Amino acid sequence: DIQMTQSPSSVSASVGDRVTITCRASQGISRWLAWYQQKPGKAPKFLIYVASSLQSGVPSRFSVSGSGTDFTLTISSLQPEDFATYYCQQANDFPFTFGPGTQVDLK
Amino acid sequence: QVMLQESGPGLVRPSETLSLTCSVSGASMRNYYWTWIRQPPGKGLEWIGYVYYSGSTKYNPSLNSRGTISVDTSNNQFSLKLTSVTAADTAVYYCARVTDSTWYFDYWGQGTLVTVSS
Repeated sequence: DIQMTQSPSSVSASVGDRVTITCRASQGISRWLAWYQQKPGKAPKFLIYVASSLQSGVPSRFSVSGSGTDFTLTISSLQPEDFATYYCQQANDFPFTFGPGTQVDLK
Repeated sequence: QVMLQESGPGLVRPSETLSLTCSVSGASMRNYYWTWIRQPPGKGLEWIGYVYYSGSTKYNPSLNSRGTISVDTSNNQFSLKLTSVTAADTAVYYCARVTDSTWYFDYWGQGTLVTVSS
């Protein structure tokens, strides 16, 4: 299985801050990576994937980059509704695997 | 708008079979893959497997052949059965749709907590 890691595991930030989350795959996955946002008690929400654009309704302050094994999700100006846990997911090979999550909370 | 809703028992006894159904509305099941994902309390996400609308399936080997996913397109539903459950199978179970042409998950159900306990 392809192992996914994320750093940091948590980050404390303020509204307006720029936040960057890193995701690393144990082997190359080309650009087959997506990001999800999960709020407490809710299902994950599909945000964005590397090879294409934002999902419908997702603000442009979210952006992604990377290829191979190293990827980043950037929130350019953190908003109150962005406080959540973010997961990366590789779609290069079965079984699909997720990172352990990065919790973004209020400083 | 595509909506998914999980249903099934919230409590299952150890060694028994967990059975869940996902009802799909707002979209046809045709030409899409449909999937189950679970999340143990306080932990991360684990992909369980998928079913294509035609009935073909693929599973995560971590299940050790205990899982079966089936589809009923006439009723816009798909189901998960997990045999010989243990406490390690306690989780919130989500059903989701696989995106068109990529292996991501674009629409999710709200999730249902299944506890394995005697």
